Amino acid sequence: DTAVSQTPKYLVTQMGNDKSIKCEQNLGHDTMYWYKQDSKKFLKIMFSYNNKELIINETVPNRFSPKSPDKAHLNLHINSLELGDSAVYFCASSQKTRGDTQYFGPGTRLTVL
Amino acid sequence: QKEVEQNSGPLSVPEGAIASLNCTYSDRGSQSFFWYRQYSGKSPELIMFIYSNGDKEDGRFTAQLNKASQYVSLLIRDSQPSDSATYLCAVNSLNSGYSTLTFGKGTMLLVSP
Repeated sequence: DTAVSQTPKYLVTQMGNDKSIKCEQNLGHDTMYWYKQDSKKFLKIMFSYNNKELIINETVPNRFSPKSPDKAHLNLHINSLELGDSAVYFCASSQKTRGDTQYFGPGTRLTVL
Repeated sequence: QKEVEQNSGPLSVPEGAIASLNCTYSDRGSQSFFWYRQYSGKSPELIMFIYSNGDKEDGRFTAQLNKASQYVSLLIRDSQPSDSATYLCAVNSLNSGYSTLTFGKGTMLLVSP
């Protein structure tokens, strides 16, 4: 009974390609997030959705486009992949938008060659 | 720019000792404070959260919060080799009326048998 799941777990691709990562949570949470963890292990928020509505969009290149078809799913599409996009991308969810505990998915390790 | 500072370590302690992990934060308006543990290659998992000044104990873990000093710490008693991981301090901040977590870069803890 995985709470927050992501697919794929690993993604290896060439520069310039377009790829998507999918996230699903079965916790009934209203809010979902995308984080990027770089090679130095720094975990940084990218986007946050509350009930399918984008509420936080940090300084992220336009090549990254999140989509939330319903409140249990949050996908991340990346266009024209660059070497610097190589990182681990984590999806997370929480019950409320104000200070509540966030639960993380297993992560997707993206390697751009 | 809201910041969360942690000593990157590694912090090395012998088995059975007390490990003390520290974190300072810049946003005085922060209300919620979290400690996550991250094993290598895995996702962050919640250890504890604390909202009020003082101590909060959960098993071998004690979180301490001092809002006046903008300081939060995690004590691990009777440290075990299985506690060896990176510990991430996370602080909530309001961003356009919505809560986000700002993570520190983490402290690596090594517990030797």
